[in-house]
Amino acid sequence: EAQVTQNPRYLITVTGKKLTVTCSQNMNHEYMSWYRQDPGLGLRQIYYSMNVEVTDKGDVPEGYKVSRKEKRNFPLILESPSPNQTSLYFCASSFGPWSPQHFGDGTRLSIL
Amino acid sequence: KNEVEQSPQNLTAQEGEFITINCSYSVGISALHWLQQHPGGGIVSLFMLSSGKKKHGRLIATINIQEKHSSLHITASHPRDSAVYICAGMDSNYQLIWGAGTKLIIKP
Repeated sequence: EAQVTQNPRYLITVTGKKLTVTCSQNMNHEYMSWYRQDPGLGLRQIYYSMNVEVTDKGDVPEGYKVSRKEKRNFPLILESPSPNQTSLYFCASSFGPWSPQHFGDGTRLSIL
Repeated sequence: KNEVEQSPQNLTAQEGEFITINCSYSVGISALHWLQQHPGGGIVSLFMLSSGKKKHGRLIATINIQEKHSSLHITASHPRDSAVYICAGMDSNYQLIWGAGTKLIIKP
């Protein structure tokens, strides 16, 4: 089954404790992206990747890192999480930014 | 800065009504996505279009490049259509710029 898998789905953690949210897709998509969704602000892009080893900043990259060592995986890293990064995060993939995107189920992060 | 604006922000209608959600965008957006977010949070891509009109079941999306405007229509609306509908424009750097979403409630 074609899917985008995010883990974990839910996480409660504390300020400053490094965390990684994994994202994996099995559709051989080249384009992958991370978004955060906050009430009243809609979806905002954090980082995107056009292909392996190619990553670019989105609208709100501060406090986040990503890597794209393999086509299927695009982890989101919070080196020193802060409470303002409490949000609902979505990973998405597609053949290209001009193609319909497939979204993961979302990861709800709470940073205390 | 490119912007994408949606209207209305909230829409409540009776089952069976014809629904229209609008999306306006500024210069520099070459294509537009329409997505649906279910009450449980999951997001599904509905359409990606850069010209004309696309139809899938009871959903129809249109775009007018000259007027910088796109619409999403739902015919014979049903309570299961209740969701947040989001449009997103793609700029020249292939970055998506998201509208704030339209919350649709269809009452039986």
